[in-house]
Amino acid sequence: QSVLTQPPSASGTPGQRVTISCSGSSSNIGSNYVYWYQHLPGMAPKLLIYRQTLRPSGVPDRFSGSKSGTSASLAISGLRTEDEADYYCAAWDDSLSSVVFGGGTKVTVL
Amino acid sequence: QVQLVESGGGVVQPGRSLRLSCAVSGFTLSSFGMHWVRQAPGKGMEWLAFISYDGKKKLSADSVRGRFTVSRDNRKDTLYLEINSLRPEDTAVYYCAKDRGWMELIDYWGQGTLVTVSS
Repeated sequence: QSVLTQPPSASGTPGQRVTISCSGSSSNIGSNYVYWYQHLPGMAPKLLIYRQTLRPSGVPDRFSGSKSGTSASLAISGLRTEDEADYYCAAWDDSLSSVVFGGGTKVTVL
Repeated sequence: QVQLVESGGGVVQPGRSLRLSCAVSGFTLSSFGMHWVRQAPGKGMEWLAFISYDGKKKLSADSVRGRFTVSRDNRKDTLYLEINSLRPEDTAVYYCAKDRGWMELIDYWGQGTLVTVSS
């Protein structure tokens, strides 16, 4: 069971907006940066969002992140077929002195 | 560009040991902390360990502490993970990953190396 809680799946049609939630606690999301990763099978995971809202260069602005209290969200707008992947949130946990991940959300483009 | 290439995986018998390597390029290894993360078949990501830029600070997950040892050789641009007393539940793809900096998390990952623990 993961320390951060994500829905196991999310879906949408091309062009739609999909939002993925990530719920934690005061010792992780509530007090530290949230990161989001995209993972396609067999590939290296890719950083999508860091410091809960910032995008590395090269990441389309269709991807956006937010944080409120002990929860964070990743939104994908203008959904495209190439967005089909697993998405993970992560944060440092002060109580565990470790990095904690969400269980991952599989996004399907219908 | 930043590249991380893991090696050393394979099929290993329970109880044996294994050392994974991660060769890096495209950045100065001695300036960054590094992580190991694994993903068991059909499961999510599990953080395993962190080592500071100079190797002086090491952190590890409770689930592997005492069996997994992270180390680095900055002169060789290589990160290592020593795994002892392998168990079937250690079967996973093991990733090395670069830390973004102080108080930050992972910004680059390797493609992983598969470790299968089976008799």
